[in-house]
Parts: sequence; C-alpha cells; structure tokens
Amino acid sequence: EVQVVESGGGLVQPGGSLRLSCAASGFTVSANYMTWVRQAPGRGLEWVSIIYSGGSTYYADSVKGRFTVSRDNSKNTLYLQMNSLRAEDTAVYYCARGFCTNGVCPYYVDVWGKGTTVSVSS
Amino acid sequence: DIQLTQSPSSLSASVGARVTITCRASESISRYLNWYQQKPGKTPKLLIYATSTLQSGVPSRFSGSGSGTEFTLTISSLQPEDFATYYCQQSYISPPLTFGGGTKVEIK
Repeated sequence: EVQVVESGGGLVQPGGSLRLSCAASGFTVSANYMTWVRQAPGRGLEWVSIIYSGGSTYYADSVKGRFTVSRDNSKNTLYLQMNSLRAEDTAVYYCARGFCTNGVCPYYVDVWGKGTTVSVSS
Repeated sequence: DIQLTQSPSSLSASVGARVTITCRASESISRYLNWYQQKPGKTPKLLIYATSTLQSGVPSRFSGSGSGTEFTLTISSLQPEDFATYYCQQSYISPPLTFGGGTKVEIK
C-alpha cells in the first residue's frame, strides 16, 4: 500500500526548532517529488516546501531561510527541519507526494499523510 | 506567483441540490487546475485533476470545467457525504503549489 506517515510534531517555544519526519511505504521517496503542506487551525492549505526527485528544493517565502527539506534514501524518509519557529507556524503539517504526468511535475498531489501537529507557543 | 481565488468561501445547500464552486486564477493556467476535498479532521483527497479528469473512485456527480483563468467544480446532486471543504490548486507554474482559499459546503 502506498502511504506516508508523519511524525515529530509537538509543542515548542517561539524561536525553537523541530524536525518532522515522513516515512514512506509502497514507493520510493527519492524517485518522487515530495512536498510539505500545512494547515493552520481553521485555515486553508498552505504549501511549505518541495524536494524534486533530482534533489532541488524550494520553499514558500514565509519559511525560506528557516525551514530545510531533506530526505534519507536509505530510510525512504522525508524530513522538514524547522528552525526559528514562530507562532504563525502553528499548524498541521502534511507530507505528500506530487504526482508527475505528461511532463508536468508535480501535476497534482495524490498521496497525503494524516499530518502531524506543530504548536508554537510560550 | 499565481494566485487562486475561490468563490464563494462558504455555501449552504440541501441534499440533492446542484452546487457550483468557482476558482479564478490571477493569470492563465491553461487547464492545469486540480480540486481536492477535505472533510473535518481528515486529510485532503484529490477529486479532479487537469480541470475535468475524475480521480479513480470519485463519483460521477462531481465534474470540473474551465480553462485559462476561470474554473468550476460542480456537484450535480449533493449527497450527505459531500459536505466538506473544497480547494483548487494550480500546477501550471510550480513551485509554488498554489492552493485556493477553500469553499466550505455546509448543510442547509
């Protein structure tokens, strides 16, 4: 079964750090476009970061310079290192796979995890 | 960056009603527009990709149309399990993966 499972969320003080993990099964993380999407309480979906199969990484302006996406091919796992956390980073963080087709990458997001909750508060 | 604006932001409708949600892009995105459904406390689920192609398993009462800057998601006969929030997302220029603000469909 193709799935991703996030972990690593929790309560952290402003300015603190967290590392989220996303363990994939049924497919290879390094061969896919993997993305992080977050959802603040009562709000919509916000794209956070993406890592391409070739290794290129991109970030939303709101997290650029503070968050880093990476992967461990041996563990088939995606990570999101979050530093200098702010109250506005409080959200459920979803790990997801970007599906590629017809030369468009990613065309859509076809596999989503259940999410892990990050709360930034003193 | 391309912006996506959904309207309405929420709506109330009765079971059996026809519902239409609009997504407008700030510039032309051809037909690179996808729709997701998210039920409360649940993960988003892909409904439609490439404007009008239903993801496997999605009921045929869902349909999508449009091109360029204006797109619609239509539910031909609203069912109890369709009450959810719907998001559009563009894949014409990525990154970023732009999502619309969402449309919450509630029971009337």
